[in-house]
Amino acid sequence: AQTVTQSQPEMSVQEAETVTLSCTYDTSESDYYLFWYKQPPSRQMILVIRQEAYKQQNATENRFSVNFQKAAKSFSLKISDSQLGDAAMYFCAMGDNFNKFYFGSGTKLNVKP
Amino acid sequence: EAQVTQNPRYLITVTGKKLTVTCSQNMNHEYMSWYRQDPGLGLRQIYYSMNVEVTDKGDVPEGYKVSRKEKRNFPLILESPSPNQTSLYFCASSLFGYEQYFGPGTRLTVT
Repeated sequence: AQTVTQSQPEMSVQEAETVTLSCTYDTSESDYYLFWYKQPPSRQMILVIRQEAYKQQNATENRFSVNFQKAAKSFSLKISDSQLGDAAMYFCAMGDNFNKFYFGSGTKLNVKP
Repeated sequence: EAQVTQNPRYLITVTGKKLTVTCSQNMNHEYMSWYRQDPGLGLRQIYYSMNVEVTDKGDVPEGYKVSRKEKRNFPLILESPSPNQTSLYFCASSLFGYEQYFGPGTRLTVT
């Protein structure tokens, strides 16, 4: 069975500091996609970053970067220079070749001024 | 503006009264999907569709129906809603293998 696990229900970070959110997954597929989504209080789901499993290079999007460890099935999100607007729920997700998607339970990120 | 729309945004209904939540996208995406979000469980996939007249079950399909008669629309049907279907529902669309674009969500309460 395919699963996505986020073991940190809630985290806090000081404004301007760096924080890393953890995500592990389990799949028997060789080709899949990984995503991080942000959900602010408005409930809108916003894509943060995307990674194809066949790419070794870690994806980067401005202040957001991932550490993709395929052998360990780990996909952590690093947020640099944290801003108040980064406060939200963050969901890790995996899409497989059958176009099914699996989401983790989420990590609530608090940003302290 | 590229978007996924859902209606209604909020719905309170009673057990057993059939309801439909509509979903429409204007991006010509082949892939559409429905999710429910419950506290502590993240998002769970209900049904998905890879094209017109092609639908398949996700992880939690029981109690739900879908149809895909047109590429842009993917309604979610609850024939006989029950209180355990109280949840936040999201519709999403995408090109295959790419990130999904989500609708604004529908908050459903079944009493």
